Amino acid sequence: DTGVSQDPRHKITKRGQNVTFRCDPISEHNRLYWYRQTLGQGPEFLTYFQNEAQLEKSRLLSDRFSAERPKGSFSTLEIQRTEQGDSAMYLCASSPRTGSSYNEQFFGPGTRLTVL
Amino acid sequence: RKEVEQDPGPFNVPEGATVAFNCTYSNSASQSFFWYRQDCRKEPKLLMSVYSSGNEDGRFTAQLNRASQYISLLIRDSKLSDSATYLCVVTTADNAGNNRKLIWGLGTSLGVNP
Repeated sequence: DTGVSQDPRHKITKRGQNVTFRCDPISEHNRLYWYRQTLGQGPEFLTYFQNEAQLEKSRLLSDRFSAERPKGSFSTLEIQRTEQGDSAMYLCASSPRTGSSYNEQFFGPGTRLTVL
Repeated sequence: RKEVEQDPGPFNVPEGATVAFNCTYSNSASQSFFWYRQDCRKEPKLLMSVYSSGNEDGRFTAQLNRASQYISLLIRDSKLSDSATYLCVVTTADNAGNNRKLIWGLGTSLGVNP
């Protein structure tokens, strides 16, 4: 399967714990995005990378959230001191090389986080 | 006001019906427009992009009116398998002309009944 993959698919944690999610984009896609989706809502943008550079962060991304893409390939999203309000589906997407005319974003299956 | 607004739904229609979804966006600088489909507990998947000239893909027709900042999706001869949430998405471009973040509507739920 050469699509976007995310790990883990499900995570249950207790409030106050730290969690880390991983996203592996489609190879050669240089843009990688993180979104968060809660029930009944559309996805909300969190941040995106072009190669290893983090180009934009949403105000939704509090200081408890940090994302990295150290080698311009896979990315991690860490949430420190989780709160119940962090419970959501965390979606990762990637898009092709800059300069393509379309730039469709391809989504991974998501990581569903439940904070107890 | 939300950046992208959609019909609240849900829409419940019989098989074979024609159903239309509407969407408005607030940022006149928006450059690209899409309809995504999302099945329950699955990731969103691109259904079709939307062009000013209108575009059709089988039973699906998308229209864009830039002057009114309005997007529509028409589904003809609806099938049971069309049951899903349909999300309207817009994006602006960065200085290099590449799509930036996607701005999503809340989605409209469609149920097609036998």
